[in-house]
Amino acid sequence: GENVEQHPSTLSVQEGDSAVIKCTYSDSASNYFPWYKQELGKRPQLIIDIRSNVGEKKDQRIAVTLNKTAKHFSLHITETQPEDSAVYFCAARAGKSTFGDGTTLTVKP
Amino acid sequence: NAGVMQNPRHLVRRRGQEARLRCSPMKGHSHVYWYRQLPEEGLKFMVYLQKENIIDESGMPKERFSAEFPKEGPSILRIQQVVRGDSAAYFCASSPGEGNEQFFGPGTRLTVL
Repeated sequence: GENVEQHPSTLSVQEGDSAVIKCTYSDSASNYFPWYKQELGKRPQLIIDIRSNVGEKKDQRIAVTLNKTAKHFSLHITETQPEDSAVYFCAARAGKSTFGDGTTLTVKP
Repeated sequence: NAGVMQNPRHLVRRRGQEARLRCSPMKGHSHVYWYRQLPEEGLKFMVYLQKENIIDESGMPKERFSAEFPKEGPSILRIQQVVRGDSAAYFCASSPGEGNEQFFGPGTRLTVL
């Protein structure tokens, strides 16, 4: 089955700096890669996603890159703000979604 | 268009009792997924269902756990003879199709005393 590894598990940055979270996957059949943000006690919310026929996608301060050959994808957040502090999950989907273990991002004001 | 609904939001059970968790997908969504999240851990896939069919239950424990998504009504995740280790947040998500975005419900937080 699919195996998704996510790094780092915790990330602390100063407000205004960039944050990068990386994920690798194992199943070459995976073709959809969403990223979710989860605040404490709340549901995961989709923040950006990318499909296997695209190498990069950007939405304001958030971007995702995908390297299908190497089977890895990354989330980039620029100009971080304290409200970006949350747990971020990557996922890879081939039918069902397999999630990474999450990255706790702390943005210090 | 109401989002994914789950009830109850909080459920307390004693060891040995049964827990029934309900999930109503978004209107027009026929695919439902159940995930379990232990405190400070990630989301673990449990089961993927379409109306009246289980598509993938590879994440479901072999005993005590079952899921259904009937033709009418919500999807149900049933846990029989609960144990303390079943305490977790259980999220369901729905999508209109296999390759589409999943929308998550607010979760049911199960506490087993």
